[in-house]
Amino acid sequence: EVQLVESGGGLVQPGGSLRLSCAASGFTFRRYWMSWVRQAPGKGLEWVANIKQDGSEENYLDSVKGRFTISRDNAKSSLYLQMNSLRAEDTAVYYCARDNDIVGATGSCDYWGQGTLVTVSS
Amino acid sequence: DIQMTQSPSTLSASVGDRVTITCRASQSISVWLAWYQQKPGKAPKLLIYKASSLLNGVPSRFSGSGSGTEFTLTISSLQPDDFAAYYCQQYNSYSRTFGQGTKVEIK
Repeated sequence: EVQLVESGGGLVQPGGSLRLSCAASGFTFRRYWMSWVRQAPGKGLEWVANIKQDGSEENYLDSVKGRFTISRDNAKSSLYLQMNSLRAEDTAVYYCARDNDIVGATGSCDYWGQGTLVTVSS
Repeated sequence: DIQMTQSPSTLSASVGDRVTITCRASQSISVWLAWYQQKPGKAPKLLIYKASSLLNGVPSRFSGSGSGTEFTLTISSLQPDDFAAYYCQQYNSYSRTFGQGTKVEIK
């Protein structure tokens, strides 16, 4: 059974840092693109970043470029999101998600974690 | 960046109704579009990819169509389990974007 379990969320002051983790199991982690998607309270979904299978390519939402870094450790089947210079508008539930590997579907996310809440407030 | 616009934002319907949600892209995305369902407090669930391909296990009352800049999600006969929010998402570029969502509520 595919499982994605996020951790590391919490309350942080503006300008602070936080590192989210996502532990994957039930599939061969190194074969998949992985993404982070967030959802502010009462709002819609917003794609944040993704990373290629071997970590050689990363893509980011414009508003987080230079502040957030996505990374992965294939030996540990884990995905990470380092978040620096956090702002109030980064407050959201952050989901870890696996890219679909069906031909023509790569770019959509077929498995999601339960999410971890990040609150940026003084 | 490619912008995705969904309509309507909210839709009131009854069990058994045929429901259609529209998603428009700011530029052509070919067929690289997915649809998700999300219930309160839960993670999104992928329904459709490549504009019209139903994910295994998704009920056949869900269907998707479109290409280029205009897409639709149709629920042929709304069931009680279908009251939820629905999102489109483009994956034509590596910078992916979601629509703002459509809430399907009970009339």
